[in-house]
Amino acid sequence: NAGVMQNPRHLVRRRGQEARLRCSPMKGHSHVYWYRQLPEEGLKFMVYLQKENIIDESGMPKERFSAEFPKEGPSILRIQQVVRGDSAAYFCASSQVQREKLFFGSGTQLSVL
Amino acid sequence: GQQLNQSPQSMFIQEGEDVSMNCTSSSIFNTWLWYKQDPGEGPVLLIALYKAGELTSNGRLTAQFGITRKDSFLNISASIPSDVGIYFCAGQLKYGNEKLTFGTGTRLTIIP
Repeated sequence: NAGVMQNPRHLVRRRGQEARLRCSPMKGHSHVYWYRQLPEEGLKFMVYLQKENIIDESGMPKERFSAEFPKEGPSILRIQQVVRGDSAAYFCASSQVQREKLFFGSGTQLSVL
Repeated sequence: GQQLNQSPQSMFIQEGEDVSMNCTSSSIFNTWLWYKQDPGEGPVLLIALYKAGELTSNGRLTAQFGITRKDSFLNISASIPSDVGIYFCAGQLKYGNEKLTFGTGTRLTIIP
């Protein structure tokens, strides 16, 4: 009865390095969403993907950020050349086809030194 | 873009008290959901609302979808210590697979 799995739970990077965050959706879910949360704030939408397709990336920063959800394997959120402002909790959610309910993982806490 | 404002921002109550919080939007949503987030964890879905005027319960929780489609409230009756956390409302513009827009959150603290 695995839920949405995210790893790593904690990731520490130095400025200029790359961060890769992974998300495996719930079984039977083919839609993945990535959100970012700063301390004491709500979740901000970043990107919505289906298998091999980006459906909505209206919340993604124009540079350094990219996301994919390949045919096989987890969804990956990639941040290149990280800066201190990228430090946040990144959450992944998944849903079934034509279903409104999103189920969230436990998140990855990214800390940039 | 759409904004969801929650009030109050924080609440301090005693165990056993009832709690009420609400969420208002600058635009119409077709689906409203309420989530609870514990420290260091992702949001957990509490209640989903699909129709204007709909009133739905889940144990001690009751939520309503406003008639104007621009607001919703969440009530918690007879609060217990495990109710502590941050409560978020979230809205979807259309049915089916669609991103959620989250509110600003209400932090609930229970005073011993």
